[in-house]
Amino acid sequence: QKEVEQNSGPLSVPEGAIASLNCTYSDRVSQSFFWYRQYSGKSPELIMSIYSNGDKEDGRFTAQLNKASQYVSLLIRDSQPSDSATYLCAVSRTGNTGKLIFGQGTTLQVKP
Amino acid sequence: GAVVSQHPSWVICKSGTSVKIECRSLDFQATTMFWYRQFPKQSLMLMATSNEGSKATYEQGVEKDKFLINHASLTLSTLTVTSAHPEDSSFYICSAPYTGAGNTIYFGEGSWLTVV
Repeated sequence: QKEVEQNSGPLSVPEGAIASLNCTYSDRVSQSFFWYRQYSGKSPELIMSIYSNGDKEDGRFTAQLNKASQYVSLLIRDSQPSDSATYLCAVSRTGNTGKLIFGQGTTLQVKP
Repeated sequence: GAVVSQHPSWVICKSGTSVKIECRSLDFQATTMFWYRQFPKQSLMLMATSNEGSKATYEQGVEKDKFLINHASLTLSTLTVTSAHPEDSSFYICSAPYTGAGNTIYFGEGSWLTVV
């Protein structure tokens, strides 16, 4: 079992729709959770971080964390073609020390 | 704002030679930096933790004698791929945790290594 699992996709949604990206993790002591966006050939860029159960909203993005189910998700509202990228879920075991374990990423395609 | 810079952005080297990649934290000090490797269409795999003033900590399966890491100052970590082979061709990315306002993790721009 991989430590951090994501559906590789591709996930295809029409422009303006809600894109839902999911991630599960295996280590219960994980404390910090991150969503990164990575365009082809580029370094990942942070979209959201979440540390406690519940929802966290930032603009069109909402991260949801459920530690009991070991599940974290990212919702993208009003999806735009520019959102087309690979979304990486990352988990840190011991707070925000910087050591991240990444999932394999989900490719999102937003069609105009 | 805080930035992590990598150099070079891309490099081509001959098989058997060594190549050095630099990772610098700009505007902040980083006692710890991290090196990742990413093969095409795969995720980032943590290679090692670079510790300022001490030896790096390598992840299982990563050869420490092949991937030399030096963290000589609070703003610079280097990764040297020794005796490079075509299978070492990859995207190498460093990161550094910023413990100031925002408390986030910054990634460098990445370095493309092609071994021919």
